[in-house]
Amino acid sequence: GAGVSQSPRYKVAKRGQDVALRCDPISGHVSLFWYQQALGQGPEFLTYFQNEAQLDKSGLPSDRFFAERPEGSVSTLKIQRTQQEDSAVYLCASSLSLIVESGANTEAFFGQGTRLTVV
Amino acid sequence: AQSVTQLDSHVSVSEGTPVLLRCNYSSSYSPSLFWYVQHPNKGLQLLLKYTSAATLVKGINGFEAEFKKSETSFHLTKPSAHMSDAAEYFCSYTDSWGKLQFGAGTQVVVTP
Repeated sequence: GAGVSQSPRYKVAKRGQDVALRCDPISGHVSLFWYQQALGQGPEFLTYFQNEAQLDKSGLPSDRFFAERPEGSVSTLKIQRTQQEDSAVYLCASSLSLIVESGANTEAFFGQGTRLTVV
Repeated sequence: AQSVTQLDSHVSVSEGTPVLLRCNYSSSYSPSLFWYVQHPNKGLQLLLKYTSAATLVKGINGFEAEFKKSETSFHLTKPSAHMSDAAEYFCSYTDSWGKLQFGAGTQVVVTP
């Protein structure tokens, strides 16, 4: 597709339920990022992939959060035993280049996000 | 620690008047800085970016920002606001991986 696609757009989960959020990055993009945006806040970094390798997962808030990108394209963010504090918009972004300082086009393109509501 | 601070959580302007959104950064070196816009139920869109090539950066939709090292600022401006500029704006910086750190955001309201 032309842009980053995320599905589902909206998800309502009962507390304790597991959820899986999908991100289809722009074809050929090496870098993929997940962010969490709570209501009224700026996005917060969760995790980063370079192709299939998860190079940084320092932002994942707990071991209930797990992300994968097994073939270096589509990524899934999984949240186990959801809690109310997990309610947020989950944003995925992809970019073409590996290194920001290279001067190459490193613009990150964002998907529309998945709004997760835990009830 | 590196960070960005957006000084205003809400800005209200009249259509046709200038817009100023303030952002200060904290970094031990010259960072790469960005402004993003987020319209309701839409993804984040890049307005402009500073990567040390020029201190005055022009972006899309008539926006521009000036990097001032002496003031550690990267304020976003537009000479004349349009109704379509009503949105949330985020200042951010990035590390070498491209990981973005965002400010808390500024909600812009444009009145007729």
